[in-house]
Amino acid sequence: DGGITQSPKYLFRKEGQNVTLSCEQNLNHDAMYWYRQDPGQGLRLIYYSQIVNDFQKGDIAEGYSVSREKKESFPLTVTSAQKNPTAFYLCASSIDRMGIEAFFGQGTRLTVV
Amino acid sequence: GQQVMQIPQYQHVQEGEDFTTYCNSSTTLSNIQWYKQRPGGHPVFLIQLVKSGEVKKQKRLTFQFGEAKKNSSLHITATQTTDVGTYFCAGLYGNKLVFGAGTILRVKS
Repeated sequence: DGGITQSPKYLFRKEGQNVTLSCEQNLNHDAMYWYRQDPGQGLRLIYYSQIVNDFQKGDIAEGYSVSREKKESFPLTVTSAQKNPTAFYLCASSIDRMGIEAFFGQGTRLTVV
Repeated sequence: GQQVMQIPQYQHVQEGEDFTTYCNSSTTLSNIQWYKQRPGGHPVFLIQLVKSGEVKKQKRLTFQFGEAKKNSSLHITATQTTDVGTYFCAGLYGNKLVFGAGTILRVKS
């Protein structure tokens, strides 16, 4: 089955540690996105990538980093510089640069302890 | 940055009542998309509107795109308990897909 897979589903991190969230898609989509969801604030764009080896900052990129070495993969690293990392993280992909019909993964819930 | 304002934030309705959520952008959108997120789930694509003044229907759901391509609405006729969840609009600004804050719909049976 084609789809977009995020792992892990739940993640606990100690303060001061970096952590990487995985996002893999087998839909042959060019565009991939990372969003953060907090209660009452909807989805906020962290980073997005339209093609391999290229990505752009979204609205809340500070404290995050990404890479796009392969078309299928778009991992997100939450660094220790992110002051309030506890949130629900959603990865999405769409077929091309124009963002038509984004498909979302199941999400990763990150908790800093 | 670009913003999509969505109202209301919450709406509780009695089963059978209608529901509407609205989105507004300060700048013209390439297109607007609507998503539904069930409690505990992830957003799922509902529809995309591209043309000025476009109206699309999916059973009890009616989607509209404004003439100026700056606003949109989703109307649900005769809500059912299966309609509960958060409804998001998402505006396409160039290559960026920007989401509204969402409207949480609760349906009382």
